[in-house]
Order: sequence, then structure tokens, then C-alpha cells
Amino acid sequence: AQSVTQLDSHVSVSEGTPVLLRCNYSSSYSPSLFWYVQHPNKGLQLLLKYTSAATLVKGINGFEAEFKKSETSFHLTKPSAHMSDAAEYFCVVIRANQAGTALIFGKGTTLSVSS
Amino acid sequence: DTEVTQTPKHLVMGMTNKKSLKCEQHMGHRAMYWYKQKAKKPPELMFVYSYEKLSINESVPSRFSPECPNSSLLNLHLHALQPEDSALYLCASSQARLNTEAFFGQGTRLTVV
Repeated sequence: AQSVTQLDSHVSVSEGTPVLLRCNYSSSYSPSLFWYVQHPNKGLQLLLKYTSAATLVKGINGFEAEFKKSETSFHLTKPSAHMSDAAEYFCVVIRANQAGTALIFGKGTTLSVSS
Repeated sequence: DTEVTQTPKHLVMGMTNKKSLKCEQHMGHRAMYWYKQKAKKPPELMFVYSYEKLSINESVPSRFSPECPNSSLLNLHLHALQPEDSALYLCASSQARLNTEAFFGQGTRLTVV
């Protein structure tokens, strides 16, 4: 079965410092992985996706993630945090079985950015 | 147009009411989803429709009844809900194939009183 584990429930950074949000995955085959962001009282926006092409994936708003098969990780990074980055971040994997496919979410990481 | 539109944005209903949530997309996506999200929790999958047929039901109580009348529309009919069903209900759509992202609506904030 496919699943993801977000290693930190809350990350706090100062504006202008790097951001690292950690995600490990479990999959019996090469997974499709995503990072979504959710600002308060908003829907979910796709930041970036990995679908077995380049292992370093660039997304919107300066975010990027690196797929590391040896470490079963897909960590999200940004060189310099901005106040507007404060939000909830979800690492997501596609679950595919005989019934169909669906996106399965990690528990989420709350990113706080202080000035 | 990469938009998934959900109506209404907010809904308050009593435990004996019947109401419906609506979702619409015009991206030609043939997979549509309902998720439920409680406060401070991740979205939980409820239903998946693929080519207008229900393909996944994550053991959701029968007081939630999904419907996909055509390839652009997805409804969630609500009846005899409980206060613990209060949550943000998110609709999403995607291409009906592997390795593809889903696009989410803004959600309907449901309060059951």
C-alpha cells in the first residue's frame, strides 16, 4: 500500500531563512508524489509533483523537492522563507488499486514564519 | 480554465434536513472526488467517480450519498447528518489516469446543528 509520513507536525522559521519540510514515502512501486499547500480557510493548491521524470522537481513560489529513492524521501525546500509562506503543507501520494486511484494525504506540517 | 467550483461556500443545516453540495469543473476531467477535512487534520477521501461511475467508497455512512449526473458535475446529498459531520468538504477533479495531480475546489464549510 502507498502512504506518506510527514516527519514534523510544526516547523517555525524566520523570514529570509531556508525552509525544510520532510516527507518519507512507502510504496511497492515507483510512486507519484505531490506537495500541496493550504492557506487558512482556503482550498488546496498544488506546489509541485514528481512522476518518475527528473528527481529534482521545481514548483511554484520558489519551492522545490528532491525524490531520493535510497532514502524513500521527498522533502520540500525553499531557500528563503517569506511571510506569505505560512500555511499548512501536505505531502501526498497516489494510491492505485483495483478499485481505482486516489490522492492520499500525509498528516500535514504547519509552517510558521516570523519576522 | 483550471477551476473547480463548489457551492455553497457555507452551509448550516439541522440534523433532520436534506441538503446537497455541488461541484463543477470544465477541464474535461473524468475523475472526480469528495474529501472531508476536519479542523487541523488532512483531507480524508470519501468517494471517487471515474467516467461517471462510482469507483471508490471509503466506507462512508449512507447519510452521505454521492451522485455524478454528467462528466462536469458532482453532487453530495446529505440527510440526517450528525454534529460530528461538521467539516470542510472538498471536491477535486483529475484526468482519469495514473500519475496525475488533482485540482481542488475551495470547499464547502458545513455546520450541522
